[in-house]
Formats: sequence, structure tokens, C-alpha cells
Amino acid sequence: GENVEQHPSTLSVQEGDSAVIKCTYSDSASNYFPWYKQELGKGPQLIIDIRSNVGEKKDQRIAVTLNKTAKHFSLHITETQPEDSAVYFCAACASGYALNFGKGTSLLVTP
Amino acid sequence: KAGVTQTPRYLIKTRGQQVTLSCSPISGHRSVSWYQQTPGQGLQFLFEYFSETQRNKGNFPGRFSGRQFSNSRSEMNVSTLELGDSALYLCASSREGGFAETQYFGPGTRLLVL
Repeated sequence: GENVEQHPSTLSVQEGDSAVIKCTYSDSASNYFPWYKQELGKGPQLIIDIRSNVGEKKDQRIAVTLNKTAKHFSLHITETQPEDSAVYFCAACASGYALNFGKGTSLLVTP
Repeated sequence: KAGVTQTPRYLIKTRGQQVTLSCSPISGHRSVSWYQQTPGQGLQFLFEYFSETQRNKGNFPGRFSGRQFSNSRSEMNVSTLELGDSALYLCASSREGGFAETQYFGPGTRLLVL
């Protein structure tokens, strides 16, 4: 089945800096790659997603890039703010319906 | 529009008992999926229901089951609880459950098995 690796597991940045989280996947049939943000006591919230027919997608301070040849995708957050502190999960969807998640990255943005 | 709601939010059970969790999807959404989240295994897919039928299933034992009602609300049941079933159980809904369709998660039910 699909295996998604996510790095780093923890990331600490200063407010205003950029943060980058990387994921790799194993199943070349994967075509959908969402990113979720999970705050304490809440369920995961979709922040951005990308489908395999594009290489990059941007939404204000957040961007995702996809390299299907290398089977990896990345989340980029620019001008980080303290409220960006949370756990971020990448996921890949290969066949059927289920999302296969990475183990998560705990991002801490310090003022 | 109201989001995905899950009840109860917290639950404490003892080994051997059974538990039922409930999920109400976003209005108009007909697909409901369940995930288990633990610190060790992360987020793992349990099953997905669409039009009252289980359409996809993850790699969990038969003690984990679910159902969906005609109004798209879904319940998940775990029988003969084990300590390892302690987890956050998340429900997610989407409009049709189609491939690569966005899934929206609820806040989860935190289950503690003693």
C-alpha cells in the first residue's frame, strides 16, 4: 500500500521566517496530495491541496510543490506567524478513497 | 454552514466493553469516513460509507464496524475494547466521496480505554 514519509517531525522557526515541510510517497498512482493543519483539541483542517496535473499551487502565504518524478511534495509557509504553530500533516491518495497520512510535523513559531 | 460534528467528545471505557461513536456530516455531504489517530501510528483510515453502504475499508480487525443512516449520519462501533484502542477517532465528510475529493474533518472523539 501507499507509504508517506514526512520530515521533519518538529520544526521551530522565528516569526517572519519561512517553514518548509517535505513528504515523500511510494505509490506512483497517487494523484491527490492534501495538507492539513491540526491545532490542539481540534480535528485536522485542510489548508491546501494539489492534484497531480499541476506542479505548484499557492494560496497567500502557503504554497505546495509537487514533483511526481521524484515522488515528493512540499509545503512552504512564508512570513510565519505565531498562529501558524500547530501540527501539519501531509497525505496522499493513491486508489480508492482513503487518505494515507504522514506522521506529522509539529511547527512552533516563536515571536 | 455547520461543520462536521461528533459526539461524544470524550469517552472513558474499560477493557472488554463496547462503544458507539456518532458523526453528523456537513449538510449535503453523503460520504463519511472514519480515521483513528494515535501518537504511535498517526492517522489511519478505518472505513468509508456512502449511501448507507460501506464502500472502502482499512486494515482494522472486525471489532471495528460502522453504519450509515439515510440522513448520512454515521456511527462507528468498537466491540471488546482493548487498551490499544485508546485514540482520537475522527470522522470526515465529503460531498460524493469521489477520488481526490476534499474531506472535511470533525473535532474527533477521544476514547480512553482503562
